[in-house]
Amino acid sequence: GAVVSQHPSWVICKSGTSVKIECRSLDFQATTMFWYRQFPKQSLMLMATSNEGSKATYEQGVEKDKFLINHASLTLSTLTVTSAHPEDSSFYICSAGPPGETQYFGPGTRLLVL
Amino acid sequence: AQSVAQPEDQVNVAEGNPLTVKCTYSVSGNPYLFWYVQYPNRGLQFLLKYITGDNLVKGSYGFEAEFNKSQTSFHLKKPSALVSDSALYFCAVRDGLSSASKIIFGSGTRLSIRP
Repeated sequence: GAVVSQHPSWVICKSGTSVKIECRSLDFQATTMFWYRQFPKQSLMLMATSNEGSKATYEQGVEKDKFLINHASLTLSTLTVTSAHPEDSSFYICSAGPPGETQYFGPGTRLLVL
Repeated sequence: AQSVAQPEDQVNVAEGNPLTVKCTYSVSGNPYLFWYVQYPNRGLQFLLKYITGDNLVKGSYGFEAEFNKSQTSFHLKKPSALVSDSALYFCAVRDGLSSASKIIFGSGTRLSIRP
């Protein structure tokens, strides 16, 4: 099946700093990618839809200025957590998929903000 | 709006016994249903999907799921559980089949298989 990668797999940062997470589709082009966050022992919550060449679409309650999404190419979307705070600590997962098929998920990025 | 419900937070099964993880759905159109599994600190792995056709869908690792339209259910099953099946399982519904179609996840069910 298709492969989606994420980098880094984990990151620890100080409060107030910004963190960038990359999501790549390795063997297909993705005009759309999705970003989720997952708190411990909870489900995945869709944060936003990343659209290649245009603005991302954010779900209700997600701060677009806090979570900046850039989908600059057909194989790369980035999520930047700006001015991170401890409450932003979470597991961030992206997904993408070829048209007409299932979505494939990245391995996730664990963010810990101190 | 599309939604899925997983009524059980946890399911405990002895190794070798059959297992069932329940899922019910609510959709306004055709249901596109999925099961994913998540191991600790990992992303989600696709198990199986129902788009159309046979109500019994076979997937990875010996899992299968039965689509039941009258009961709006899509329960995940396996005839004989393995300890290695212990993980977090998510039922999901998609609002279409294009690459831009969103996936909505259930709350997840933790499956624990005891030796």
